[in-house]
Amino acid sequence: DVKVTQSSRYLVKRTGEKVFLECVQDMDHENMFWYRQDPGLGLRLIYFSYDVKMKEKGDIPEGYSVSREKKERFSLILESASTNQTSMYLCASSSPRLGSAQYFGPGTRLLVL
Amino acid sequence: RKEVEQDPGPFNVPEGATVAFNCTYSNSASQSFFWYRQDCRKEPKLLMSVYSSGNEDGRFTAQLNRASQYISLLIRDSKLSDSATYLCAVNRGGGFKTIFGAGTRLFVKA
Repeated sequence: DVKVTQSSRYLVKRTGEKVFLECVQDMDHENMFWYRQDPGLGLRLIYFSYDVKMKEKGDIPEGYSVSREKKERFSLILESASTNQTSMYLCASSSPRLGSAQYFGPGTRLLVL
Repeated sequence: RKEVEQDPGPFNVPEGATVAFNCTYSNSASQSFFWYRQDCRKEPKLLMSVYSSGNEDGRFTAQLNRASQYISLLIRDSKLSDSATYLCAVNRGGGFKTIFGAGTRLFVKA
């Protein structure tokens, strides 16, 4: 079974803090993704990566950065957290083969006060 | 217009009923299609991939209609445990990102 883990299930931070969200997958997947999910807005892609040290902006990259130093690990960084970044953050991974599905981690619920 | 659209519902059905959801997509180059299930406050989990010839997994049947650009999910003999949000997902292949629908909420009542 594919296993995608995220470093925290719940996180509370203050405005202006730097926040690190870590994601690790054990299936040797090349592709990794970060989404946020908000009520009524669905899943929105923040950043994705097709290989180590490679990153691409998704639909809503503003206020976020990412790091992929190892194949199995993809980190999302909020340089200066703001209240509008309160959300559920979901990491996913997939194989690059045609027809491959994405597999999600359990999510991190971030509250920025 | 969104690239992938779903009726948000909610669909309220009694146990044992058959219920169907559709998901339309706008990009004719789309190549891979999926249905995910998401329980409240949990992550989406892959329910099934959707193949051109249609496919079935127990009480669940998925179909693809390329001409009309939609995929469907049919749930037979609904169980209380089927209550969840069902997301469709569409990928153009070749490394392009996957687009997720906003989901259809299903409530199965006793």
